[in-house]
Amino acid sequence: DVVMTQSPLSLPVTLGQPASISCRSSQSLVYSDGNTYLNWFQQRPGQSPRRLIYKVSKRDSGVPDRFSGSGSGTDFTLKISRVEAEDVGVYYCMQGTHWPLTFGGGTKVEIK
Amino acid sequence: EVQLVESGGGLVQPGRSLRLSCTASGFTFGDYGMSWVRQAPGKGLEWVAYIRSKPYGGTAEYAASVKGRFTISRDDSKSIAYLQMNGLKTEDTAVYYCTGGGIQTPYWGQGTLVTVSS
Repeated sequence: DVVMTQSPLSLPVTLGQPASISCRSSQSLVYSDGNTYLNWFQQRPGQSPRRLIYKVSKRDSGVPDRFSGSGSGTDFTLKISRVEAEDVGVYYCMQGTHWPLTFGGGTKVEIK
Repeated sequence: EVQLVESGGGLVQPGRSLRLSCTASGFTFGDYGMSWVRQAPGKGLEWVAYIRSKPYGGTAEYAASVKGRFTISRDDSKSIAYLQMNGLKTEDTAVYYCTGGGIQTPYWGQGTLVTVSS
C-alpha cells in the first residue's frame, strides 16, 4: 500500500499568517494517463470532510484562492496564504492513483 | 446541488450484520463511481470500498481490513449505493461516509455512525 506521510501533526498559526502542510507518498503518484491524483481535504470540527484541491493543484469550486496546492511525484504541499478563523480544522491528503486509496494521518490547524 | 444522505447506522453486536444506504441527488449517479470512507472516533480517514460505474464494469475494490466481510453495491435506478457489512468487529466502530463523483471523492455525505459493541 502507498503510505501517505503528513507533517506537521499540529500547526498553530497566527491569524493572517501563512501556513504550509507537507504530504509525502511512499511511491510516485503519477498515473499511467500522466495525471497525478493527489487530493487535499479539509475537515472542520464536527463536519464532514470537504475536498479543496484535486490533481495536486486544481481548486474545487467555491474554495478560496488563499488555498493552493503544489508538488510532483512523491512530494506535495498545501499552502494557506493568510489563515482565517474558518480555516481551523484537520487537513488530509489522499492519493487516488493506486489501490487501495490511502489518506495521510492529518494535520490539525489551530489559531495561536 | 449535490446531496449524499447516508442511513442505516446504529448499535450492533460483534459478529452481526448491518446494511448502510447512501441516497444521491444533484448529479448523474450512474455516470460515477461511489466510495465508502470511515472515521473511527478521534481518528483519521480510512477508505473502505469503491464501486465503479456500470460503463466501467460496475466492479468493486476493497480495503484489506474489510475484504471478504463487506460488500459494496449500487442501484442506479434509485441512485443509491449500499454497504453490506457482515461479521462486524469492534474495530469497525466509526462514522461511515458515502462519497461520490468518482475515485477522487469530490462529494461527501454527513456520515452515519456505526457502533459495534456487546
